[in-house]
Amino acid sequence: GEDVEQSLFLSVREGDSSVINCTYTDSSSTYLYWYKQEPGAGLQLLTYIFSNMDMKQDQRLTVLLNKKDKHLSLRIADTQTGDSAIYFCAERPGGSQGNLIFGKGTKLSVKP
Amino acid sequence: EPEVTQTPSHQVTQMGQEVILRCVPISNHLYFYWYRQILGQKVEFLVSFYNNEISEKSEIFDDQFSVERPDGSNFTLKIRSTKLEDSAMYFCASRFGASNQPQHFGDGTRLSIL
Repeated sequence: GEDVEQSLFLSVREGDSSVINCTYTDSSSTYLYWYKQEPGAGLQLLTYIFSNMDMKQDQRLTVLLNKKDKHLSLRIADTQTGDSAIYFCAERPGGSQGNLIFGKGTKLSVKP
Repeated sequence: EPEVTQTPSHQVTQMGQEVILRCVPISNHLYFYWYRQILGQKVEFLVSFYNNEISEKSEIFDDQFSVERPDGSNFTLKIRSTKLEDSAMYFCASRFGASNQPQHFGDGTRLSIL
């Protein structure tokens, strides 16, 4: 069945770039998403990419998609302490009504 | 910016009791969803709802669960007879009609079953 995998933890220094990686299994996925969850809060949509794109840039965020390897990454440039959160990768399988399959989330810790 | 709102933020219920979780999706959205996240685990899809009926549901969404859109603004999830394993964070999400539009999530309701 469909599955999404992410590494669980990432620690970076303030000002460095962060790269959070994700792999998925469903080759028919149409859209791939990144959501951010701060402590005690809900899931905030950060960005998403259509499966026929290789890259999407949105201010400090860059999403790279390697469809052949089913690999998605989120790069955060100039990481700030406010970026500390859990980042969830999610895929939307083809043929679904839009329900999302989530990874376990990567906890990003930013050290000053 | 419009947002999905969920109430209550925390619900504590005795096992075996019925519970209703409430959501107000973004007003012009047409697709509605419930997800849950058991502590330390993945966010899991429960059900999607469109045009006043369930369009898709997961294996988790058994006969104990039901959803309703009782009026033009609310979207509810009812658990008929709660079990300990229903303890989780429940997220509501909504999406505008076009297929390329993303889902927007509420802040969740933490359900604790005693």
